[in-house]
Amino acid sequence: AQKVTQAQTEISVVEKEDVTLDCVYETRDTTYYLFWYKQPPSGELVFLIRRNSFDEQNEISGRYSWNFQKSTSSFNFTITASQVVDSAVYFCALSELNTNAGKSTFGDGTTLTVKP
Amino acid sequence: DAGVTQSPTHLIKTRGQQVTLRCSPKSGHDTVSWYQQALGQGPQFIFQYYEEEERQRGNFPDRFSGHQFPNYSSELNVNALLLGDSALYLCASSQTSSEQYFGPGTRLTVT
Repeated sequence: AQKVTQAQTEISVVEKEDVTLDCVYETRDTTYYLFWYKQPPSGELVFLIRRNSFDEQNEISGRYSWNFQKSTSSFNFTITASQVVDSAVYFCALSELNTNAGKSTFGDGTTLTVKP
Repeated sequence: DAGVTQSPTHLIKTRGQQVTLRCSPKSGHDTVSWYQQALGQGPQFIFQYYEEEERQRGNFPDRFSGHQFPNYSSELNVNALLLGDSALYLCASSQTSSEQYFGPGTRLTVT
């Protein structure tokens, strides 16, 4: 069975601080996808990134960066120079690689509050 | 290009009633997945439809059923509603091996 753990329930930072959201996963599959989503108060999940288990290269997109470490089953997400608009609930998710997208297993999310 | 749309936005039902939620996928997508998100939790996978058939199913009772139409739109039906069915129901669409795009959700309240 697959499991995703986001140990940080809530994080509060002041604008311009860097913040890292942790994600640890469990799976018996040797190949899989990992995702991060952002859920603002409106409720719609916004896709941020997808990585497959073959590719452990870290990725940077603007102020966002992701650190994938297969050895520790972690896929952490860092926001650099946080802004108030980054306030949202962030979800890490895991799905099988050999099936169509879907049947993702989500963590319970980390609520990030960025104060001005 | 319209994204994933869902209707209605909000719904209030009484225990024991039945409800139907609707989803239109993003243009070009042929797969629809449904998720239930209880307050303070992550989305839980209900089932996935592809080529008008249920392809995968999560750990939900038979009270939860669905349908996909030839135009790829989908419905989620829940019978004999329980208080515990109150949640945000999210629809996601995708194309083979692509990432999912989520709709804004339907907030269901069962009283």
